[in-house]
Amino acid sequence: SQLAEENPWALSVHEGESVTVNCSYKTSITALQWYRQKSGEGPAQLILIRSNEREKRNGRLRATLDTSSQSSSLSITATRCEDTAVYFCATVASSGSWQLIFGSGTQLTVMP
Amino acid sequence: ETAVFQTPNYHVTQVGNEVSFNCKQTLGHDTMYWYKQDSKKLLKIMFSYNNKQLIVNETVPRRFSPQSSDKAHLNLRIKSVEPEDSAVYLCASDREDTLYFGAGTRLSVL
Repeated sequence: SQLAEENPWALSVHEGESVTVNCSYKTSITALQWYRQKSGEGPAQLILIRSNEREKRNGRLRATLDTSSQSSSLSITATRCEDTAVYFCATVASSGSWQLIFGSGTQLTVMP
Repeated sequence: ETAVFQTPNYHVTQVGNEVSFNCKQTLGHDTMYWYKQDSKKLLKIMFSYNNKQLIVNETVPRRFSPQSSDKAHLNLRIKSVEPEDSAVYLCASDREDTLYFGAGTRLSVL
């Protein structure tokens, strides 16, 4: 089973609306990252939030981290068509070798 | 700005053939990776390679092998492809816990 999982599996919004993607993970982590993958491209990092941080912002993006419930969220405000992509959360375990483990992804479609 | 380059973009082959994919990064990073992404977008790490130290995901079949000439290049060789090898193979390098991915090579095994 996956160590991290996003939900919902897919969602659609209209341009201008806000949207939130959630992530739950199963292991103790040092950091959690959000990546976005557009069609035909590799994933690109959006936000890195460390285990001692509760919130991080990057423009229209806001990520939260709750280590007690082992969950994170990524919110996008004022969505644009170009935000259409698969969004992944990825975790770095606090023990063992450094490896970035990705969740299964949320497909976000932003419609005009 | 793309700084991890993968070739080819697509490759179609038949069961049993050998294939090789190339990856080059111009970021000066010390560690490179290969990930496999299946049709459901699931990303699984296959290898990481740092200064000639190879870390292998134990679930990777032995027909897969990474090949590196220097820290900027990490190629992937599949000795005898199987149908389940059809996927997108993504190369990445990392700096300060951030991965930088190439656009991937899509492999179709007939």
